[in-house]
Amino acid sequence: NAGVTQTPKFQVLKTGQSMTLQCAQDMNHEYMSWYRQDPGMGLRLIHYSVGAGITDQGEVPNGYNVSRSTTEDFPLRLLSAAPSQTSVYFCASRASGGQETQYFGPGTRLLVL
Amino acid sequence: KNEVEQSPQNLTAQEGEFITINCSYSVGISALHWLQQHPGGGIVSLFMLSSGKKKHGRLIATINIQEKHSSLHITASHPRDSAVYICAAFLSGSRLTFGEGTQLTVNP
Repeated sequence: NAGVTQTPKFQVLKTGQSMTLQCAQDMNHEYMSWYRQDPGMGLRLIHYSVGAGITDQGEVPNGYNVSRSTTEDFPLRLLSAAPSQTSVYFCASRASGGQETQYFGPGTRLLVL
Repeated sequence: KNEVEQSPQNLTAQEGEFITINCSYSVGISALHWLQQHPGGGIVSLFMLSSGKKKHGRLIATINIQEKHSSLHITASHPRDSAVYICAAFLSGSRLTFGEGTQLTVNP
């Protein structure tokens, strides 16, 4: 199993540009989520999905969109990038149920100029 | 005040020392994760526990649900243990809330 994969590993954007961060998992996990990690702060939840066709907002959703058309894929879209979105983004997945081990992707480092 | 707090924020130890990292949370939880983030950035799950104690190699995690506190211990620490250790709690439903992490440096 590849586990959770993310692309790209690193991206530089200009303010106002759009892009999609890709996330895929091959463990048939129903629950997927996107986090951002900033210095001095814990991981913060952006959006999550409990299954194909179902998404919901986390604590910092503004400026980001998600969709979940398949169980495997959960892309994160930045519609109009802002410098405040400079961060490291992690995708994660786990099986459904309240207390399952969470698996993380390797992260995408995003710099918005 | 964060709902999940870790201490210390930074910890430097000499190789071989016994290390303890603490995590406290403000509300009842169903389970708690301990995670390790390597210098390269990858995050892996070390333990998930809802009661008692778990052990894996030189790592031991304990949780006291009544006191809302968990600890991660590393015995016979080694420079390869240098990483950021993060606790994360299932505070509400199935969503995790993360502590800020503890940066551990083990010197040879």
